[in-house]
Amino acid sequence: AQKITQTQPGMFVQEKEAVTLDCTYDTSDQSYGLFWYKQPSSGEMIFLIYQGSYDEQNATEGRYSLNFQKARKSANLVISASQLGDSAMYFCAMREGGNRDDKIIFGKGTRLHILP
Amino acid sequence: SAVISQKPSRDICQRGTSLTIQCQVDSQVTMMFWYRQQPGQSLTLIATANQGSEATYESGFVIDKFPISRPNLTFSTLTVSNMSPEDSSIYLCSVPGANSYGYTFGSGTRLTVV
Repeated sequence: AQKITQTQPGMFVQEKEAVTLDCTYDTSDQSYGLFWYKQPSSGEMIFLIYQGSYDEQNATEGRYSLNFQKARKSANLVISASQLGDSAMYFCAMREGGNRDDKIIFGKGTRLHILP
Repeated sequence: SAVISQKPSRDICQRGTSLTIQCQVDSQVTMMFWYRQQPGQSLTLIATANQGSEATYESGFVIDKFPISRPNLTFSTLTVSNMSPEDSSIYLCSVPGANSYGYTFGSGTRLTVV
């Protein structure tokens, strides 16, 4: 069974609109971490935001916020005021357990297209 | 956060040959990770490389095909052995960082097997 599920293979959004990228996860661990990465066409992996399972507040980083719903095992990425440069692949990832040196696994990704 | 230098950035190889990919980190790290990203796909973890011990491989990946070395805390290599066109992918190394910085990734090696 997939540990990280991203149900939106592709999305088209008008520039300046907000966009929500869905991510659900599956783990039996109490301690875990959730990450979002952006991969533009250049191929580099750009870290966007992190949410720990014990964090009570949703993480925010500039225009990025993570809508963390623990009971639903959901960690959606919200991008406010989208820009053309936001067009890229977006991956949700999870680290199980409390060891910060442990591996992370990725969802299949969502390709976001921002329309002018 | 750490900075990773990954080489080569791309290569075109003949089937049946091997390619060794190197990752050099600018700081000491306990764990290094190797991923494969097939065309249009997500990142799949190949193995975890811990200095001083054998790498731990994920299901579907074996040491004979993807031998890994980890001679010290700043360096690792991944070899793709006896290559076939199905091995054409981007290979990336990664190291953990502080949670607020996420995991750092190398710039990737784009491998084409002909």
